[in-house]
Amino acid sequence: RKEVEQDPGPFNVPEGATVAFNCTYSNSASQSFFWYRQDCRKEPKLLMSVYSSGNEDGRFTAQLNRASQYISLLIRDSKLSDSATYLCVVNTGGGNKLTFGTGTQLKVEL
Amino acid sequence: GAVVSQHPSWVICKSGTSVKIECRSLDFQATTMFWYRQFPKQSLMLMATSNEGSKATYEQGVEKDKFLINHASLTLSTLTVTSAHPEDSSFYICSARWEGGTGSYNEQFFGPGTRLTVL
Repeated sequence: RKEVEQDPGPFNVPEGATVAFNCTYSNSASQSFFWYRQDCRKEPKLLMSVYSSGNEDGRFTAQLNRASQYISLLIRDSKLSDSATYLCVVNTGGGNKLTFGTGTQLKVEL
Repeated sequence: GAVVSQHPSWVICKSGTSVKIECRSLDFQATTMFWYRQFPKQSLMLMATSNEGSKATYEQGVEKDKFLINHASLTLSTLTVTSAHPEDSSFYICSARWEGGTGSYNEQFFGPGTRLTVL
């Protein structure tokens, strides 16, 4: 079983739609959780951290369920510029080692 | 956010040659840098953790004699792919850990990546 699993997609949605991605992780000792965004042939960039209480940043909402070991990302009012691959990333501690999921590809269309 | 640069951006080389990739933290010092590799349609895989002034820590399955890492200063880490082969063709990305935070996790800032093609 992979340490971090995501549905690769692609998810094709119309502009303005609301879309959600889920991610599951296998290591119950994982300490920190993140969503990164990666554009084609570019480096990943931190989108937001994920906190146990859930957190929101503009159109983006992230939630963590430790009991079920999954993380979610909700994007509201999606824009064309949101088209990218969204990476679920888990820090399992011990020197800030990050484990990346394979990413979920989002395509926002007119 | 902090800036991390990588050079070169892309490189094409012949099989059997060695390629050096540089990773620099431009506006902060980084005791720890990380090297990742990403094959098409796959996730980033951590190759090694580079520690300033000491030996790198390699992940399981990564050959330390093939992927030489040197972290000689607080702003520079280098990865040398020795005797490169076509299967080493990949996207190599470094990150530098910012150590100015107060929490248990210090954010990593990623370089723009180096695309290596071995013919």
